[in-house]
Amino acid sequence: DAGVIQSPRHEVTEMGQEVTLRCKPISGHNSLFWYRQTMMRGLELLIYFNNNVPIDDSGMPEDRFSAKMPNASFSTLKIQPSEPRDSAVYFCASRGQGIGQPQHFGDGTRLSIL
Amino acid sequence: GENVEQHPSTLSVQEGDSAVIKCTYSDSASNYFPWYKQELGKRPQLIIDIRSNVGEKKDQRIAVTLNKTAKHFSLHITETQPEDSAVYFCAAPKPNTGNQFYFGTGTSLTVIP
Repeated sequence: DAGVIQSPRHEVTEMGQEVTLRCKPISGHNSLFWYRQTMMRGLELLIYFNNNVPIDDSGMPEDRFSAKMPNASFSTLKIQPSEPRDSAVYFCASRGQGIGQPQHFGDGTRLSIL
Repeated sequence: GENVEQHPSTLSVQEGDSAVIKCTYSDSASNYFPWYKQELGKRPQLIIDIRSNVGEKKDQRIAVTLNKTAKHFSLHITETQPEDSAVYFCAAPKPNTGNQFYFGTGTSLTVIP
């Protein structure tokens, strides 16, 4: 089992640039989550997909953030335009169906906006 | 997480001593509680979980206890070692979602050699 795969692992870019983060969930998992982690706010849920459909995007900070899941094995989180306050570690997690199934996290993308 | 409270926020113990981290939740229908360990610069990793039909679960030096009446669950680490130093998160299901979790704010555990 390869686990949840995220890319890139690190991203450094200048403010105003578009940033795209990628995630491949564990095969067979039907739920996918995007989180942002900072020292100040801890682990925040940004958006959650079930069967490729966005279910809850109430955590998305603003219109600069968007997420897609075109198929069961791929999701993207895009920030356009990026701002320094977007600097954080972004985690993707996936979960299988049923009670008692935990979320499994990817290794995260450490994003720095200069 | 607004429906999960975690205490303490920081904890220092001497190597070999025990560490206990406690979380409380508000939804009495919650039925599954995972615990995650996050080492510095790494991802949160599931270390143990418990379902609501049992009161305790052990895995070597780690145990989780659940008190459904009081709506709290605790992580117990015995014979702590320096490699146990990390941030630990509890989680509980978000009501009426089926898939989402509320995460605790984390406990930074330091094991002093």
